[in-house]
Amino acid sequence: EDKVVQSPLSLVVHEGDTVTLNCSYEVTNFRSLLWYKQEKKAPTFLFMLTSSGIEKKSGRLSSILDKKELFSILNITATQTGDSAVYLCAVESNTGNQFYFGTGTSLTVIP
Amino acid sequence: ETGVTQSPTHLIKTRGQQVTLRCSSQSGHNTVSWYQQALGQGPQFIFQYYREEENGRGNFPPRFSGLQFPNYSSELNVNALELDDSALYLCASSPQGWRREAQYFGPGTRLLVL
Repeated sequence: EDKVVQSPLSLVVHEGDTVTLNCSYEVTNFRSLLWYKQEKKAPTFLFMLTSSGIEKKSGRLSSILDKKELFSILNITATQTGDSAVYLCAVESNTGNQFYFGTGTSLTVIP
Repeated sequence: ETGVTQSPTHLIKTRGQQVTLRCSSQSGHNTVSWYQQALGQGPQFIFQYYREEENGRGNFPPRFSGLQFPNYSSELNVNALELDDSALYLCASSPQGWRREAQYFGPGTRLLVL
C-alpha cells in the first residue's frame, strides 16, 4: 500500500530555533515529492523535489530528497512565529497520476 | 495572473442530499485535482481532470464524480451525502506538460453534513 509518513506529528519550539521535519514514503512509480505549508485553509507550495541529493532553498527554508532511502527533510532555520503552521509532504506517483499526502507536522513557534 | 478560486466557501447539507462544489483553475493551468481533507488529516486525493477527462482517481466511491469544462474550471459532485463526507474540499491546479510543475491549491470549501 502506498503511503507517506511524516514525523514528528507536532513540534513546539522557541523563536530562533532550527527545526527538521521528516517525510518518508513508500509510493509506487515515484514522480516527485512536494512540501506545502498549511495555515488556515489552502496549502501553499514550498518545494518540489525530483532528484536525490540536490538541496532546494528558499530563504530560511531548505529541503532535500533521498530517493535511495525514500525520505525527505524540510529544514527551517531561525524560526519565527509566522512559521507556525502544519507542514504537509506529498508524493506524486506516475501510476494513475495520484498524489499521496502525509498527515502533516504541526509546528508551533513561541516567542 | 489569478490564483485558484473555489465556491462556495462554506456549505451545510443533510444526509442523503447532493452537493456541487466549483473550482476555477489558475490561469494557464489545464489540470485540476480534487482532495478531501478531514480534520487533523492530510488531504486525500479524490481525482484529477486533464483536458476534460478523468486522468486519475483515488480510493473514493462512484458517488464522488466530477467534470472539467473547456475553460479548465471544474466541478466536484457528491451524491447521497454521508456524515463522514464532512470535510474541507480542496481543489488544486497545475499545468500539464513536459516540465514537472507543482500543484497550487485553492482556499477550499468546508462542507458540513448533518
